[in-house]
Amino acid sequence: EAGVAQSPRYKIIEKRQSVAFWCNPISGHATLYWYQQILGQGPKLLIQFQNNGVVDDSQLPKDRFSAERLKGVDSTLKIQPAKLEDSAVYLCASSLVAGGRDTGELFFGEGSRLTVL
Amino acid sequence: LAKTTQPISMDSYEGQEVNITCSHNNIATNDYITWYQQFPSQGPRFIIQGYKTKVTNEVASLFIPADRKSSTLSLPRVSLSDTAVYYCLVGDYVSSGSARQLTFGSGTQLTVLP
Repeated sequence: EAGVAQSPRYKIIEKRQSVAFWCNPISGHATLYWYQQILGQGPKLLIQFQNNGVVDDSQLPKDRFSAERLKGVDSTLKIQPAKLEDSAVYLCASSLVAGGRDTGELFFGEGSRLTVL
Repeated sequence: LAKTTQPISMDSYEGQEVNITCSHNNIATNDYITWYQQFPSQGPRFIIQGYKTKVTNEVASLFIPADRKSSTLSLPRVSLSDTAVYYCLVGDYVSSGSARQLTFGSGTQLTVLP
């Protein structure tokens, strides 16, 4: 079974530039999450999708971050304009909903490492 | 939102059993407890999940007391390759489409020594 795919793996930009990250979850996984992981810290949830709808974006800095999940499959996370403190690994995860209940097992991609200079 | 507390780091030797405890004093009725392992430059990987009492799989056991305010991940006979960060995560998976606020804490850095 193919895992969660993310791209690009690495990105270096200057502050005030924009960047976009792409995620392709495991086939059939209805729930998709984006996390931000700063070096030395645990992953912080940014946004949760159920199919193509947003379930929770309470921790997403909406003045500069945006995310969408068109057609309930792939998702894109965008940062515009980037700040130095956005340097982090951006992790995408997905989970399966079966029988109306989420399994609770998150499958993570390898992440996209962003460096803002 | 159930907050979790874990030790920052632990050291062990190869072949020993390692127990990592997580505190989650305000766990809710519908919350499950899940543990993840993370190696450098990789995303977290699911280890085990439970609701109460004891759960065992091929890699670990999870012990949850009756009050569910804490949980203990047990790794039998660790090897050098078990050196990683271990995270305890508490969340409600019962209702599909609900906001689960699945936020990781700082995790426990386990270092296995030869």
